Amino acid sequence: EIVMTQSPATLSVSPGERVTLSCRASQSISSNLAWYQQRPGQAPRLLMFGVSTRATDIPARFSGSGSGTEFTLTISSLQSEDFAVYYCQQYNKWPPITFGQGTRLEIK
Amino acid sequence: QVQLQESGPGLVRPSGTLSLTCTVSGVSISSTFWWSWVRQPPGKGLEWIGEIYHSGSTSYNPSLKSRVTMSVDIFKNQFSLKLNSVTAADTAVYYCARVGRGGTYLFGIWGQGTMVAVSS
Repeated sequence: EIVMTQSPATLSVSPGERVTLSCRASQSISSNLAWYQQRPGQAPRLLMFGVSTRATDIPARFSGSGSGTEFTLTISSLQSEDFAVYYCQQYNKWPPITFGQGTRLEIK
Repeated sequence: QVQLQESGPGLVRPSGTLSLTCTVSGVSISSTFWWSWVRQPPGKGLEWIGEIYHSGSTSYNPSLKSRVTMSVDIFKNQFSLKLNSVTAADTAVYYCARVGRGGTYLFGIWGQGTMVAVSS
């Protein structure tokens, strides 16, 4: 099983700031990585796939990078609606599909 | 537009069987997508339970494989999850989702989720 580890668990940031979230895979997953956003009380929403391709209707302030085992999601200027929990997910090898434990963005 | 809706009991007794159904609208379940279940214990992260294709082909999380059964009803445009021998550790929000494959594995559309508590 590929273990996905996200850091940090929680980030306290101010609106307008730039923030970078990290995700590490226990073995190489090439570029087979997706990111999801989950707002309180809602289902997750697909943000990015293939490391850096934005899903439909995802604004350009979201960007992704990395390959192999180290990945990042960057939000260039935080908006109020971006305060949520973010999960990375690998699809290089399954079963099982695995997710990171999540990073919570909270308002400072 | 495509919508998924989970349904089923919100409370299951320990050692019992959790049964959920996902009703798909806006697209045929016989299309080229796979259909999946993901769960989320309260305050915790996401866990993939497994997937099913309209042909009946399935793949399950090895950690749950001995207790999970998924099925599909193409006439009702539904797919279902059964998890037996449940314990309190199975208490979670259960989501159904449509999976886009073909070089990827993306949960593109999700249901709203249904909370299932395991308690006596």
